[in-house]
Amino acid sequence: DIVVTQSPDSLAVSLGERATINCKSSQSVLHRSKNKNCLAWYQQKPGQPPRLLIYWAFTRESGVPDRFSGSGSGTDFTLTISSLQAEDVAVYYCQQYYDIPYTFGQGTKLEI
Amino acid sequence: QVQLQQSGPGLVKSSQTLSLTCVISGDTISSDGAAWNWIRQSPSGGLEWLGRTYYWSKWFYDYAVSVKGRITINPDTSRSQLSLHLNSVTPEDTAVYYCARFISREDHYGMDVWGQGTTVTVSS
Repeated sequence: DIVVTQSPDSLAVSLGERATINCKSSQSVLHRSKNKNCLAWYQQKPGQPPRLLIYWAFTRESGVPDRFSGSGSGTDFTLTISSLQAEDVAVYYCQQYYDIPYTFGQGTKLEI
Repeated sequence: QVQLQQSGPGLVKSSQTLSLTCVISGDTISSDGAAWNWIRQSPSGGLEWLGRTYYWSKWFYDYAVSVKGRITINPDTSRSQLSLHLNSVTPEDTAVYYCARFISREDHYGMDVWGQGTTVTVSS
């Protein structure tokens, strides 16, 4: 199985400041024929299911604010929130869909 | 707008079978580019993929090794729903269970639609 590890486990950022969450996979998740990385980011607020934010490591899902961005390739990825808003308080997960079983990072709790 | 509506009991006794249903609206369970997944979230917050089914000339199934032999996912095309059956449960199966669509269409990928979640407690 591909192990996905996030850092940090928790993060406190001031309103308007940048938040950065890292994700590392135990092997490359680069889809060779598509030349894209099979890595997604999700946001989960209390009492709600996860919400897809980003796929292919950097493509924003429809309706996701552009302050959310994803980067990285191969085994190392980053989710950046450029200017933290109060509504961004949540737990963030990365997930690889390169291979079955799909695997998730352990989550990063983002607070103000 | 695609929606997934889950139903099923919130309490199951140890050694019995956990059964949940996920009704799909706004999409067809056998449509191209869609796989239907069950995922659970432990009380500590970790997300664990359990399995999926999808249609590609025939039905395909994949299951996590951790639950293989205990899990069955059944698609029901006539009712546009899928079910999860997990037998011989133990308290370690206590979790919030989600159904979710994994889309792979026109370069749009990811688990884009989720059910509301069902909290299942296994009593010893």
